Amino acid sequence: NAGVTQTPKFQVLKTGQSMTLQCAQDMNHEYMSWYRQDPGMGLRLIHYSVGAGITDQGEVPNGYNVSRSTTEDFPLRLLSAAPSQTSVYFCASRKTGRNSPLHFGNGTRLTVT
Amino acid sequence: AQSVTQPDIHITVSEGASLELRCNYSYGATPYLFWYVQSPGQGLQLLLKYFSGDTLVQGIKGFEAEFKRSQSSFNLRKPSVHWSDAAEYFCAVGASKAAGNKLTFGGGTRVLVKP
Repeated sequence: NAGVTQTPKFQVLKTGQSMTLQCAQDMNHEYMSWYRQDPGMGLRLIHYSVGAGITDQGEVPNGYNVSRSTTEDFPLRLLSAAPSQTSVYFCASRKTGRNSPLHFGNGTRLTVT
Repeated sequence: AQSVTQPDIHITVSEGASLELRCNYSYGATPYLFWYVQSPGQGLQLLLKYFSGDTLVQGIKGFEAEFKRSQSSFNLRKPSVHWSDAAEYFCAVGASKAAGNKLTFGGGTRVLVKP
């Protein structure tokens, strides 16, 4: 059971470059989300999706795009990377039932120079 | 808007000693509260959650937490710490059942365990 899989684990970008962080889950979870983790700030929600074809903004959406064409996949796109986007990114998913916990991937560490 | 404060950035505790991590939240209605643990290089794992009912909640790995509405707190405790408990701990609050997906996290408390 793979759970939530994020790729890559590490990435270094130059300012202005674009890239896509991949997230896939094999648990048939309706809900998926992206967080960024910065020291002393906990995790902040970037974007989330409650099902295929449906996405919405979280707390810090600027500079990021998402799409949800399938239940399994929820990629996060950085169109023009900035140093302020240096962070650790976590993808998480859950079923929509009340008592369902969030399942987290192991994270992608992104550095923008 | 909901918010979560974890006042302690670092806590050092001796192995076998008790541990208490503080969490204070701000939210106008009944909150849905969670504690997660993050080991180095890993994602977050759910320790326990509170939705309603008994205010003392038992979780995995011997952890428990107590919801105190009057103090807007949800402190995490463990009676006897093991070296493997060294990790970072996050408290989180969800606004409602449906919006429980949209969690607001505290800044985290890093726990160091001395032998």
